[in-house]
Amino acid sequence: KNEVEQSPQNLTAQEGEFITINCSYSVGISALHWLQQHPGGGIVSLFMLSSGKKKHGRLIATINIQEKHSSLHITASHPRDSAVYICAVRKTSGSRLTFGEGTQLTVNP
Amino acid sequence: DGGITQSPKYLFRKEGQNVTLSCEQNLNHDAMYWYRQDPGQGLRLIYYSQIVNDFQKGDIAEGYSVSREKKESFPLTVTSAQKNPTAFYLCASSILRGGGRSSYNEQFFGPGTRLTVL
Repeated sequence: KNEVEQSPQNLTAQEGEFITINCSYSVGISALHWLQQHPGGGIVSLFMLSSGKKKHGRLIATINIQEKHSSLHITASHPRDSAVYICAVRKTSGSRLTFGEGTQLTVNP
Repeated sequence: DGGITQSPKYLFRKEGQNVTLSCEQNLNHDAMYWYRQDPGQGLRLIYYSQIVNDFQKGDIAEGYSVSREKKESFPLTVTSAQKNPTAFYLCASSILRGGGRSSYNEQFFGPGTRLTVL
């Protein structure tokens, strides 16, 4: 079993819909990252969380340390949000990142 | 502009040839990382380096080699010993803040190199 699990693996939405991507992990962590990978392959860091909630524009990330769960929300989704969203955790036992498999999001106009 | 560059974007090689992927950063970051990405799998760590002239194996180091002679540069060589080298390779860098159990270093990624071995 992967230490970081994301759901769903694939998600298709209509423009304007509210989107939620989930990430569960089974290890102790010092931080959790949400990353975005566009079709060209480059990866951009969206959020780094150790507790609570962060918001940037239409993106919101939350984390529940007790439940070992994080969610990434996109409000008023747009076709340009189409990308792979990746959850990654930094374990308390080390400095390396462990990655989920990613969620492919497609937003149709 | 500060950032991480990887070259080339696409690389084709014949089976049995060694190939070196370039990664350069001008962010003055201490740490650099190489990841491999395969379809349907999460990124896997090949090698990482936290300081010049030092590097550590990641989870899938077999068939790869690296060097860190300069802070800005962390080239990855895919050797003929790597059984399935065709993949997308990503380089990343970060500042190391804190340490021990509390390292909150955010990683910045390069654009990636897609290697195809024919």
